[in-house]
Amino acid sequence: DAGVTQSPTHLIKTRGQQVTLRCSPKSGHDTVSWYQQALGQGPQFIFQYYEEEERQRGNFPDRFSGHQFPNYSSELNVNALLLGDSALYLCASSFSQGPPQHFGDGTRLSIL
Amino acid sequence: QKEVEQNSGPLSVPEGAIASLNCTYSDRGSQSFFWYRQYSGKSPELIMSIYSNGDQEDGRFTAQLNKASQYVSLLIRDSQPSDSATYLCAPRGDSSYKLIFGSGTRLLVRP
Repeated sequence: DAGVTQSPTHLIKTRGQQVTLRCSPKSGHDTVSWYQQALGQGPQFIFQYYEEEERQRGNFPDRFSGHQFPNYSSELNVNALLLGDSALYLCASSFSQGPPQHFGDGTRLSIL
Repeated sequence: QKEVEQNSGPLSVPEGAIASLNCTYSDRGSQSFFWYRQYSGKSPELIMSIYSNGDQEDGRFTAQLNKASQYVSLLIRDSQPSDSATYLCAPRGDSSYKLIFGSGTRLLVRP
């Protein structure tokens, strides 16, 4: 049984560009949460998707947007990339209102 | 004041000892509390959940919660070198789906 899968694993972009990260939740999970983790810090909540809607959003600017598809997979889009967006982006899945149980291996985004 | 405070460590304990990891939080509305373990270069994994005051035990792990003091802790008994990792505390508010992670405590278990 596949866990949470994320793609790509690594990505290098330049300032001002746009990026799309993808996530497939663990089988049986219907909720996807996205987190940003800077080096040496804990993950910071970006937003959560449930039933194809953004259910809750953290303190991130509108440059960060997302989507959830009918098969529960999700995308995170970041526009107008800044150097400060360099981080590990983690996707976590859960069932309904439960806490994130399973995290993907993350996408390491580097902005030059 | 940070929303979730953890000592960054490293906390170094000998193999077989009890490791005690502490966390304080500022949101009195927090109702659920979670501990995650994160190995270097890996993603977090959920190891303990606690929802009411007192102790919650699972194998070698015990989570302790004191809402009045806004304090939650994780005890690891019979620590093993494989327990060496960063431990993240994450409260969740009532009617919220957002976890607020601390920066984590790095634990080193010496053989």
